[in-house]
Amino acid sequence: GESVGLHLPTLSVQEGDNSIINCAYSNSASDYFIWYKQESGKGPQFIIDIRSNMDKRQGQRVTVLLNKTVKHLSLQIAATQPGDSAVYFCAENKRDYGQNFVFGPGTRLSVLP
Amino acid sequence: GAVVSQHPSRVICKSGTSVKIECRSLDFQATTMFWYRQFPKQSLMLMATSNEGSKATYEQGVEKDKFLINHASLTLSTLTVTSAHPEDSSFYICSASPGKNTEAFFGQGTRLTVV
Repeated sequence: GESVGLHLPTLSVQEGDNSIINCAYSNSASDYFIWYKQESGKGPQFIIDIRSNMDKRQGQRVTVLLNKTVKHLSLQIAATQPGDSAVYFCAENKRDYGQNFVFGPGTRLSVLP
Repeated sequence: GAVVSQHPSRVICKSGTSVKIECRSLDFQATTMFWYRQFPKQSLMLMATSNEGSKATYEQGVEKDKFLINHASLTLSTLTVTSAHPEDSSFYICSASPGKNTEAFFGQGTRLTVV
């Protein structure tokens, strides 16, 4: 079934610190994962993706880690900035399932000055 | 990256009226588009899959007669909320991908308020 929408957990970090946002995905057959950032009143924006044949992928200031054994995904943001404050969603997709993504419940990141 | 445009961004309508929301892929063709609904402080919930040239596929619990979807071209899908009620007030978001197993691009979302 689909991931359910739950009330958002919140992560508060000091500006300049590193942030780690976690996500447990639902389908062991999922083979493509994306982290999205959503600012208030806007649609989700792509941050970084990873395929199931990898366990780590790095972008600019962001790193995604994938642990298929426990169906866990994490997003690490280095040197967190005020502009990083948003809600972060992980999304999973299964090969040949079409382009539909199933979204996790999301985490609100608040960056403290 | 690819662009998906959604219109309008905000709409207020009276209870009992219908509202149409458009989703366009501006620089790629999309045989499939997706419509999501998002309540405050919650995640995106898939409502339906819009298929170009054929009927949409609705998720369980979504009324197809209330949420009419038309995907008449490879770049346009529309969602019409018919006989809207206050409980239909929500943030509606569409997405499309240029191909299978690639990132999905999202529209800006439409904030619907039914009064």
